[in-house]
Amino acid sequence: EPEVTQTPSHQVTQMGQEVILRCVPISNHLYFYWYRQILGQKVEFLVSFYNNEISEKSEIFDDQFSVERPDGSNFTLKIRSTKLEDSAMYFCASSPLAANNEQFFGPGTRLTVL
Amino acid sequence: LAKTTQPISMDSYEGQEVNITCSHNNIATNDYITWYQQFPSQGPRFIIQGYKTKVTNEVASLFIPADRKSSTLSLPRVSLSDTAVYYCLVGSFSGNTPLVFGKGTRLSVIA
Repeated sequence: EPEVTQTPSHQVTQMGQEVILRCVPISNHLYFYWYRQILGQKVEFLVSFYNNEISEKSEIFDDQFSVERPDGSNFTLKIRSTKLEDSAMYFCASSPLAANNEQFFGPGTRLTVL
Repeated sequence: LAKTTQPISMDSYEGQEVNITCSHNNIATNDYITWYQQFPSQGPRFIIQGYKTKVTNEVASLFIPADRKSSTLSLPRVSLSDTAVYYCLVGSFSGNTPLVFGKGTRLSVIA
């Protein structure tokens, strides 16, 4: 069964450093998303991406965040200058071209900012 | 998006049927009801979706009364591996609509 993959599984960085989180969505999916979950809190939407551009973004997704689909398979989230409060699990998700609530989530990247 | 209310936590013994109810009083005509499951340190996973009456798949059943102001996720004969957080989401999601998760119901299955 196809699945969303994410790398790395755990990333430790110093405050102020840039990080890039990588995702490979399911191959025939057209919509891509990033969510995050701070430890013990709700899963929060960050951004959705379709047809090589951002479709929607939340208030969390400020200027320090960016997304890119550099080739036909990868989908990346870049955090330019990490803060302590960026420490969280970051989940990538994808969904096919269909009016459906089913999004397929990856296993997540745990980001720890020291 | 309709506001949802569900219990914060539930406990169950293995082998029992578990019913988790979600209230969504202001559900709109175009809204669907969707349930996701999240195991510790994993991403959420779609379980089931419905609009009205009853939907069943290999994992669960979803019961939706005629007024659609609530819904019940039913897990038959739970096992320890069903210990997870279960989220009820209500909305008329199209292809790229963000999912809005609440706090969910933390189900603990005890041997």
